[in-house]
Amino acid sequence: NAGVTQTPKFQVLKTGQSMTLQCAQDMNHNSMYWYRQDPGMGLRLIYYSASEGTTDKGEVPNGYNVSRLNKREFSLRLESAAPSQTSVYFCASSPKGVSNQPQHFGDGTRLSIL
Amino acid sequence: AQSVTQPDIHITVSEGASLELRCNYSYGATPYLFWYVQSPGQGLQLLLKYFSGDTLVQGIKGFEAEFKRSQSSFNLRKPSVHWSDAAEYFCAVGASNDYKLSFGAGTTVTVRA
Repeated sequence: NAGVTQTPKFQVLKTGQSMTLQCAQDMNHNSMYWYRQDPGMGLRLIYYSASEGTTDKGEVPNGYNVSRLNKREFSLRLESAAPSQTSVYFCASSPKGVSNQPQHFGDGTRLSIL
Repeated sequence: AQSVTQPDIHITVSEGASLELRCNYSYGATPYLFWYVQSPGQGLQLLLKYFSGDTLVQGIKGFEAEFKRSQSSFNLRKPSVHWSDAAEYFCAVGASNDYKLSFGAGTTVTVRA
């Protein structure tokens, strides 16, 4: 019953360093998502993958890249980290790529950039 | 595009008292509405959802929500809160023709003994 697994859970980076956040789901879902959560702003969509082999930008894609490695895995990369990217990052998955399907969330990655 | 407003940033309630969290949405067609709960250090867990049909929906942990189209609202309620209900609650709205799920800013619930 793992659901959505994110690694690492915590990370501290220096400005300019690069980092890849990993996400894997074992529910055979087609769609996967990356969000960031900041105080008072709810969750904002960074990137989305409707199905294996496709990715699309969300609300706040600048400074990030993603890779849908296979149906299970969806990674988020920060090429040159900036303090403004300090946040909690959540990966989610859903059966299909339409938002009337409930999304299942991982426990998050808490990222601090100094 | 759809959007969500949660007017209350923080609510404090006594254990055993009732709880109501407000959610107002903006969307031109029939919305798909969700409530999620986030315990400290955890991810978001789905409490309940509304797609169509009966406007009063039951969820997990004793929560319910009522969809009121005339008021563009989807308020969450619980008759008697437990200390374990202390968490952050998010309302979200989606649409069948869009991948995007829009979240409100969240309401933090504190439960006092």
